[in-house]
Amino acid sequence: KAGVTQTPRYLIKTRGQQVTLSCSPISGHRSVSWYQQTPGQGLQFLFEYFSETQRNKGNFPGRFSGRQFSNSRSEMNVSTLELGDSALYLCASSLGSSSAFYEQYFGPGTRLTVT
Amino acid sequence: AQKVTQAQTEISVVEKEDVTLDCVYETRDTTYYLFWYKQPPSGELVFLIRRNSFDEQNEISGRYSWNFQKSTSSFNFTITASQVVDSAVYFCALSEVSGNTGKLIFGQGTTLQVKP
Repeated sequence: KAGVTQTPRYLIKTRGQQVTLSCSPISGHRSVSWYQQTPGQGLQFLFEYFSETQRNKGNFPGRFSGRQFSNSRSEMNVSTLELGDSALYLCASSLGSSSAFYEQYFGPGTRLTVT
Repeated sequence: AQKVTQAQTEISVVEKEDVTLDCVYETRDTTYYLFWYKQPPSGELVFLIRRNSFDEQNEISGRYSWNFQKSTSSFNFTITASQVVDSAVYFCALSEVSGNTGKLIFGQGTTLQVKP
């Protein structure tokens, strides 16, 4: 069974631009979560989707948004990029309804650099 | 608010040594879940274990073992006879539950270096 895939793997953007990251969960998994990982703040929860509904959202500004499609694939969007948005963005999928209760399977991440 | 503390930022051991990674958590929930994840240099986090708050039984899986003690709010992870392949960043995480959903609060991680 294929693992969680994320595209693109690397991205370089300029301040003020917007970016869309994509995540394909493991087949059969309906829950997808997104995390931001930086050296300073560590791993921080962004949001979680289950059956196309956002179930939970972390403490991030409204510039960060996401969605989930009927095939469970998910995208996250960051608008008006700031230097501080440079990070590794990780997507994870779970067989259960929420990452709070079930093990997650992580993708390799998208390394976003904002210049 | 929920919080996870991994006081050890970096640990360096020589192969075959035993090593314990500490995890202390804070929560007001009576029902919660604790997790350990491993992040090798490749970057993908790998699930190691999940424990719910009602199950204090320690667990052993090969060279890995976990000690869950509610009395001290700790969920420590021990690697016996460490190997170079164990070199990674290890994260402890706690669930923050809200109704039938929730999110994970991660500790800052402990970087383990196992030298040959």
